[in-house]
Amino acid sequence: QSALTQPASVSGSPGQSITISCAGTSSDVGRYNFVSWYQQHPGKAPKLMIYDVNNRPSGVSNRFSGSKSGNTASLAISGLQAEDEADYYCSSYTTSSTRVFGGGTKLTVL
Amino acid sequence: QVQLVQSGAEVKKPGASVKVSCKASGYTFTSYYLHWVRQAPGQGLEWMGIINPSGGSTTYAQKLRGRVTMTRDTSASTVYMDLSSLRSEDTAMYYCARGGKEMATSLVDYWGQGTLVTVSS
Repeated sequence: QSALTQPASVSGSPGQSITISCAGTSSDVGRYNFVSWYQQHPGKAPKLMIYDVNNRPSGVSNRFSGSKSGNTASLAISGLQAEDEADYYCSSYTTSSTRVFGGGTKLTVL
Repeated sequence: QVQLVQSGAEVKKPGASVKVSCKASGYTFTSYYLHWVRQAPGQGLEWMGIINPSGGSTTYAQKLRGRVTMTRDTSASTVYMDLSSLRSEDTAMYYCARGGKEMATSLVDYWGQGTLVTVSS
């Protein structure tokens, strides 16, 4: 199972909006609505931000939203804040009942 | 509150095995799947496998099949991840994380603090 494809880095200024893409295949992202997104600050465990494409867990800001089109999922962050600077990972359920992660995207808030 | 508490750091020689534990509390242990995820230094997340604490069924990443075994002790609300034939590339932080009530969901909402496994001669 190959890793999902994410951009290595994205950046934005405070208050702006950014989008991170996550490209998969018809065996994972394109087949199931079981895509999740995680935020990870240095030295910390990942934190769930979005699950099942567009669901936010309790306590996650509504500035974070998820979507999917075909084999590509996306995470959007509006009203960028300094605390959003982190690594972001997508993950998908696959046809073999396994999971696969993306390579990760480093978000820099300028 | 939901908590996943993992065992402490390990240093192992190449070829040895390591067993990491993950004790769950604050919820019904047998109602939620548990994942294992690892992260090599400076690298991304890698999914290792999933266990159903209720029946003990498992699904492993193809890359690790034959070397990884996940088990559980329902009386202790604890899951274990055993990795054998260790090599330097297995040096990583190992996390357990709670999944959903069903196999088919992307919900992984609580994570352990991580266990650093170092493989070095």
